[in-house]
Amino acid sequence: GDSVTQMEGPVTLSEEAFLTINCTYTATGYPSLFWYVQYPGEGLQLLLKATKADDKGSNKGFEATYRKETTSFHLEKGSVQVSDSAVYFCALVNQAGTALIFGKGTTLSVSS
Amino acid sequence: EAGVTQSPTHLIKTRGQQATLRCSPISGHTSVYWYQQALGLGLQFLLWYDEGEERNRGNFPPRFSGRQFPNYSSELNVNALELEDSALYLCASSLVGTSGGETQYFGPGTRLLVL
Repeated sequence: GDSVTQMEGPVTLSEEAFLTINCTYTATGYPSLFWYVQYPGEGLQLLLKATKADDKGSNKGFEATYRKETTSFHLEKGSVQVSDSAVYFCALVNQAGTALIFGKGTTLSVSS
Repeated sequence: EAGVTQSPTHLIKTRGQQATLRCSPISGHTSVYWYQQALGLGLQFLLWYDEGEERNRGNFPPRFSGRQFPNYSSELNVNALELEDSALYLCASSLVGTSGGETQYFGPGTRLLVL
C-alpha cells in the first residue's frame, strides 16, 4: 500500500543553519505530495504542496521538489529561525484519493 | 474567512463512556475528514464524509462512527471508550475529495483523555 517515510529526528539546529528533512514515498501512480507543520499544542498547517513531477512547492522560505525518479519530496530551508521549531509531516494522498497518508513526523528544534 | 473549527478543545471521559466530537468545515467545503493522532502512533486516517455520506474509513473498529449534517458539519462518536483512545483528534476539510490533489485544511483538534 501507499506509504511515506521521513527522518524522525529530532533535528537540532542553530539559527540561520540550513535545513533538510528527507521524505520518500511509495505509491501507485503520481500522488499529490504535501508538507504540513504542527506547532506545539496546535493542529496541522499546510506548509507547501506539489501535485505533479518536477513541481516545486514553496512557502515561508521552505521548498520541496517532487522527484518522481527518486520518489522523494525533501523539505529544505536555507536559514532556519527559532520560530521554525515544530514537527514537520510529509504526506501524500492515497491512490483512491480518499485520505492523507502521513510520515511519522520530524521534530525540529532551533536554538538562538 | 474562518478556518476549520472543532469543539470541544479538551474532553475528559472515563473508560466505557461515549465521546462526541464536533467539526465545522471551511465555508464551501463539502468533504470532512477525521484523523487520530495518538502518542507513538502518528497520524492515522479515521473517516471521510462527503455530501452527507461516509465515503471511506480507516482501520478502526466500528465503535468509531460519525455523520455529516446538511450544513456539512460533522460529528465523530467514539463508543465504549478505551484508555488507548486517548489522543488528539483532528478534523480536516476540502473542497471535494482529494483525488485531484485538493488540499485538506485542518482544525486545531480535540484532545480526548480517557481515564
